[in-house]
Amino acid sequence: SQTIHQWPATLVQPVGSPLSLECTVEGTSNPNLYWYRQAAGRGLQLLFYSVGIGQISSEVPQNLSASRPQDRQFILSSKKLLLSDSGFYLCAWRRRGQTGELFFGEGSRLTVL
Amino acid sequence: QQPVQSPQAVILREGEDAVINCSSSKALYSVHWYRQKHGEAPVFLMILLKGGEQKGHDKISASFNEKKQQSSLYLTASQLSYSGTYFCGTEGGGSNYKLTFGKGTLLTVNP
Repeated sequence: SQTIHQWPATLVQPVGSPLSLECTVEGTSNPNLYWYRQAAGRGLQLLFYSVGIGQISSEVPQNLSASRPQDRQFILSSKKLLLSDSGFYLCAWRRRGQTGELFFGEGSRLTVL
Repeated sequence: QQPVQSPQAVILREGEDAVINCSSSKALYSVHWYRQKHGEAPVFLMILLKGGEQKGHDKISASFNEKKQQSSLYLTASQLSYSGTYFCGTEGGGSNYKLTFGKGTLLTVNP
């Protein structure tokens, strides 16, 4: 069976500090991968998605970046966090080439102080 | 482009019905519906594909009007467990598999 792991679950970071959130998927290959952010009043905001290693599409121009160094690994990063980066970050995957269900990770709650 | 959901919030008593609407300004290939409990990840409810279909899932069903680029989620005889935030996600086709969600509808079911 397929599983998705996302960490850390919770973190508190000062403004200006770096960020790294990691997501890995097990039990499948060549998944489409997604990063969403949930902030108050904005629903599920698509940040990045990837259809293959090294292929990243950015939806929101901001100080975040994403990388996919391996087939089932998706990393969300920032060099300098802003207060507005606070939120609930969700990684998700679905099967390549299919309009199917999105499987979400447990989420990472980021508070920037 | 983000789909538009309405209403933003709805309060029901157990046993009552509700309809949540989702509309897009772009042609749609598919519409997804998810429910999220507070502090948890969204949970998949159903997908509707281009073709104007209607699906059912116990007492939760949905319709998809491709021509109007609209979808509606129907919750009948609501239960306390139906409480949560409902999101519609839309996909415009093509090969990018980008899934964009609306802002959500907060549904509260009271005893």
